[in-house]
Amino acid sequence: EAGVTQSPTHLIKTRGQQATLRCSPISGHTSVYWYQQALGLGLQFLLWYDEGEERNRGNFPPRFSGRQFPNYSSELNVNALELEDSALYLCASSLWDTNTEAFFGQGTRLTVV
Amino acid sequence: TQLLEQSPQFLSIQEGENLTVYCNSSSVFSSLQWYRQEPGEGPVLLVTVVTGGEVKKLKRLTFQFGDARKDSSLHITAAQTGDTGLYLCAGLYAGGTSYGKLTFGQGTILTVHP
Repeated sequence: EAGVTQSPTHLIKTRGQQATLRCSPISGHTSVYWYQQALGLGLQFLLWYDEGEERNRGNFPPRFSGRQFPNYSSELNVNALELEDSALYLCASSLWDTNTEAFFGQGTRLTVV
Repeated sequence: TQLLEQSPQFLSIQEGENLTVYCNSSSVFSSLQWYRQEPGEGPVLLVTVVTGGEVKKLKRLTFQFGDARKDSSLHITAAQTGDTGLYLCAGLYAGGTSYGKLTFGQGTILTVHP
């Protein structure tokens, strides 16, 4: 069974541009979570989607947005990129029950120059 | 805002030694997960603990959940070089603005020397 897959693996953008990151959850999982991991820091919660709806949001500005599609895959969009947005962006999926485990993808390394 | 304190931040030991990593919060978790992360990769789930006082073993790794569900520990017996990596604890708090979001500790970087 395939795990959580993210694309692209690496992304280089210039300041002010937009970035789109994609995530496919484990089959049967309806919840998708996005986390940011900046170098030397822990994982910071960005967004949680379940059944196509945004369920919770972390302390990030509105230029971080996303959506979940009917097949439960998800997209994270970052507008007006800033240098400090450079980080590893991790997607995780789980069953709807929030007491169940979250499984992570390999991440997308976003570099803003 | 719930805070999850993980300690120590760095751990450098010789192969064969034992070690313990701690994860503490002032709030009650509905569940707690331990992950291991390699550089440039996503975290890999090691275990989930749900019940206060629960103990789970995974080969040389022992995970404990505190009776009050506010703390957890990871103990590694006879560490091997392959145990080297970043260990993360992550807690789920019930309800409110924390609903559905895993709160991560800052991680413990473990280096096991041959």
